[in-house]
Amino acid sequence: EIVLTQSPGTLSLSPGERASLSCRASQSVGSSYLAWYQQKPGQAPRLLIYGASSRATGIPDRFSGSGSGTDFTLTISRLEPEDFAVYYCQQFGSSVPSTFGQGTKLEIK
Amino acid sequence: EVQLVESGGGLVQPGGSLRLSCAASGFTFSYYSMNWVRQAPGKGLECVSYITSTSSTIYYTDSVKGRFTISRDNAKNSLYLQMNSLRAEDTAVYYCARTYSSSWDYWGQGTLVTVSS
Repeated sequence: EIVLTQSPGTLSLSPGERASLSCRASQSVGSSYLAWYQQKPGQAPRLLIYGASSRATGIPDRFSGSGSGTDFTLTISRLEPEDFAVYYCQQFGSSVPSTFGQGTKLEIK
Repeated sequence: EVQLVESGGGLVQPGGSLRLSCAASGFTFSYYSMNWVRQAPGKGLECVSYITSTSSTIYYTDSVKGRFTISRDNAKNSLYLQMNSLRAEDTAVYYCARTYSSSWDYWGQGTLVTVSS
């Protein structure tokens, strides 16, 4: 089973700043098989990025994804107040359909 | 508009059973693989079960094998999760989610399952 490790666990930033969230896999993940989600308290997760770098429908262009192999990054270019949430990466493939990272909490500094 | 609406959660004693349902609308349900994913209180996301569009492939996470059964009725646009022999550690919000291009693009609002005496 591929294990995804997200870092940092918590990221404290101010609105307007740039955020970089990391997702590292225990073995190589095909670029087509890495997704990112945002979850706010009391809500279901929302798909942000699929295929490592493709934005989902309706996602603002301040969100971008990059990476390949075992290292992936979600970047939020300029934080808006509504971006403070928990972010999860997810991989598809190997012998199980999907696993998630443990999440990164993005909080207001 | 794509909608997924879960129901069937509630409070159940250890060893009891529940059947979760997910009603889909706004898309051709029979075309898509579907998933059940859970989130224990204050914890992360865990894929519980997965079923392909024709039910030809089914997956369960190890902790629920032999206790949970996923199924779907494409004529009724519905996904199900039969949960038996429930344990305290099954307490979580259960979401159904649609698979699209190696991602889960639509999620329901979730239904809370609490296993407690």
